[in-house]
Amino acid sequence: QVQLQESGPGLVKPSETLSLTCTVSSGSISNYYWSWIRQPAGKGLEWLGFISYSGSTNYNPSLKSRVTVSVDTSNNQFSLKLSSVTAADTAVYYCARQYCSSGSCYPYFDSWGQGTLVTVSS
Amino acid sequence: DIVMTQSPDSLAVSLGERATINCKSSQSVLYSSDNKNYLAWYQQKPGQPPKMLIHWASTRESGVPDRFSGSGSGTDFTLTISSLQAEDVAIYYCQHYYSNPYTFGQGTKLEIK
Repeated sequence: QVQLQESGPGLVKPSETLSLTCTVSSGSISNYYWSWIRQPAGKGLEWLGFISYSGSTNYNPSLKSRVTVSVDTSNNQFSLKLSSVTAADTAVYYCARQYCSSGSCYPYFDSWGQGTLVTVSS
Repeated sequence: DIVMTQSPDSLAVSLGERATINCKSSQSVLYSSDNKNYLAWYQQKPGQPPKMLIHWASTRESGVPDRFSGSGSGTDFTLTISSLQAEDVAIYYCQHYYSNPYTFGQGTKLEIK
C-alpha cells in the first residue's frame, strides 16, 4: 500500500513562496501521476496541479501563474511551489496519487497523504 | 470550468435507512470516445484526507462496502448508501475529471438522525 507524506513549513509570510514536498513510500513514483490538492478550513477541495513521473505538468488555470510542481524520482518525491501567497492560500495541502492503469492515467485520486496545514500570516 | 453542484448540503438519515446524495455538473462529463462518465465520489471523515469510493460514476473502489453505489450519466449523478451505518458519518464530495480544472462539488454532510 503506497503511502504519501507531506512536509514543509507550516507558516509562510504574505508575498513569499510556499514550498511543500511529498514523499512516496511503499511504492515507486514511476508510472504514476501525482497531484496537489488543497482545502481551506471548513471548505471544499481545490485541485492545484499534477506532474507525471516523466515530468510533464498540468496546472489549474486559476493558479497557473503561481504554481510549479516538480518531481525527484531518485528520492521518490514530488514538490509544490506556490508564489506570492496571501491569506487566501491558507489551507490544508494534500498530495495525492492519480489512478493509472494499463499506461493510462486519470485525474482522480486513489491515495492521499494526511495533509499539512499551511498558514499565511505575517 | 465545469461547476459541480451537490444536493443537499446536509442530510440526516436514520441508521439502516437509505441515504441519497446528488451531484449535477454544469456540462456533460460523458466522454463520447469511450462512453465513460468522468466522475468520482469521495468520503471525508473529520481530520482525515478524502477516500475515493467510486470512479467512472459507478465503479466501486476495491474494499469499499457494497452498500455504497453510484449511478447517473451525463450531468446528473447519485451516490446511494443503501443501509446507513454509524461509520458512514462524513462529508461526501463528487469530482469530475473530464477537463482541466478538475473540480469538486461543495460537499454534502451526512449525519445520523
